[in-house]
Amino acid sequence: DADVTQTPRNRITKTGKRIMLECSQTKGHDRMYWYRQDPGLGLRLIYYSFDVKDINKGEISDGYSVSRQAQAKFSLSLESAIPNQTALYFCATGGSGGRPTGELFFGEGSRLTVL
Amino acid sequence: KNEVEQSPQNLTAQEGEFITINCSYSVGISALHWLQQHPGGGIVSLFMLSSGKKKHGRLIATINIQEKHSSLHITASHPRDSAVYICAHVAGNQFYFGTGTSLTVIP
Repeated sequence: DADVTQTPRNRITKTGKRIMLECSQTKGHDRMYWYRQDPGLGLRLIYYSFDVKDINKGEISDGYSVSRQAQAKFSLSLESAIPNQTALYFCATGGSGGRPTGELFFGEGSRLTVL
Repeated sequence: KNEVEQSPQNLTAQEGEFITINCSYSVGISALHWLQQHPGGGIVSLFMLSSGKKKHGRLIATINIQEKHSSLHITASHPRDSAVYICAHVAGNQFYFGTGTSLTVIP
């Protein structure tokens, strides 16, 4: 089994629909991240969480929300999807406690298309 | 401002060629990462380094902290090396990513 699992892997939806992307990890890391990847742009941070009670906005959090249900689970929601949220979304995990974040482990990505 | 620039953006090579991908960053860092993204989309970590050089098989990563520059070298390139290579640096606990170098190795 993969260390970081994302579901769904592909999703096509319509403008205005609510979408949830789920992420679970078996690495035992405290830190989890949601990134968005668009052609020609680097990975951009949407939200991150350093433990179950910690949620932080990234550089492009508008239009998104997250929930850290457990150490291993971090979900990303689009309350009302719009076409410019069409992108490839990655969940990543890496690091715990006060130690510096080391290697990042990525999920396989969730390709979202909003029509 | 944390900026990461990679060059070239696109690279086509013949099988067997020596390949170099460059990464420059603008602020002091605690570590630099090289990642590989396959055509299917998945991203894997290749190297994490904060000084000097690391080698794994045909891949070599170097970093010059004073010049804020890192390079990824691939020796004896092979078509299976075709992928997007992404440089990222860590400042505090945040990652800042380059836009990637798309490498195609032709048999």
